[in-house]
Amino acid sequence: ETGVTQSPTHLIKTRGQQVTLRCSSQSGHNTVSWYQQALGQGPQFIFQYYREEENGRGNFPPRFSGLQFPNYSSELNVNALELDDSALYLCASTSSTQEKSPLHFGNGTRLTVT
Amino acid sequence: QQQVKQSPQSLIVQKGGISIINCAYENTAFDYFPWYQQFPGKGPALLIAIRPDVSEKKEGRFTISFNKSAKQFSLHIMDSQPGDSATYFCAARKAAGNKLTFGGGTRVLVKP
Repeated sequence: ETGVTQSPTHLIKTRGQQVTLRCSSQSGHNTVSWYQQALGQGPQFIFQYYREEENGRGNFPPRFSGLQFPNYSSELNVNALELDDSALYLCASTSSTQEKSPLHFGNGTRLTVT
Repeated sequence: QQQVKQSPQSLIVQKGGISIINCAYENTAFDYFPWYQQFPGKGPALLIAIRPDVSEKKEGRFTISFNKSAKQFSLHIMDSQPGDSATYFCAARKAAGNKLTFGGGTRVLVKP
């Protein structure tokens, strides 16, 4: 069973730039969600994708956007990067066909905005 | 608004001792309460989870105690080992949806 994989592992961007982070869900999982984890804090829900559509969003501005592809993989895009966007970005997958299927997280992408 | 409050922020325990982490929640719509363990450079890994219809769940050295009336739950790590040194997060999820609301985390250090 292949777990959740994310790429790249680390990324350095300049304020104002745009970034795309990628995630492959665990095999058998059709729902993907993204979380932002600032240093020393718990993860914060950004949004969730199911059937290639966003179906839940946390308190993040529209410059955070995403995609889900037919193979259930996903992308997180962040435009107009700000210094406060520096964080670990976590992707998690689960199965909508299993009641209360737990979320499985990848190891994240460490984004540094300078 | 912090919907899940976790304490302490950090704790140090001797090898063989008991680590206790507490969480309190506000939203009664939460019906699933997992605990995650996170090592540096890694993503959170599910440790153990409980639903509010039971008061306690044990898996190996890890036990969750749940008090529905007080809206509190806790993680007990028995016979703590140096390999348990990590950050632990409690979380909560509503009946509808998969969104997890996390606590702020507890950094546990087990001294040999």
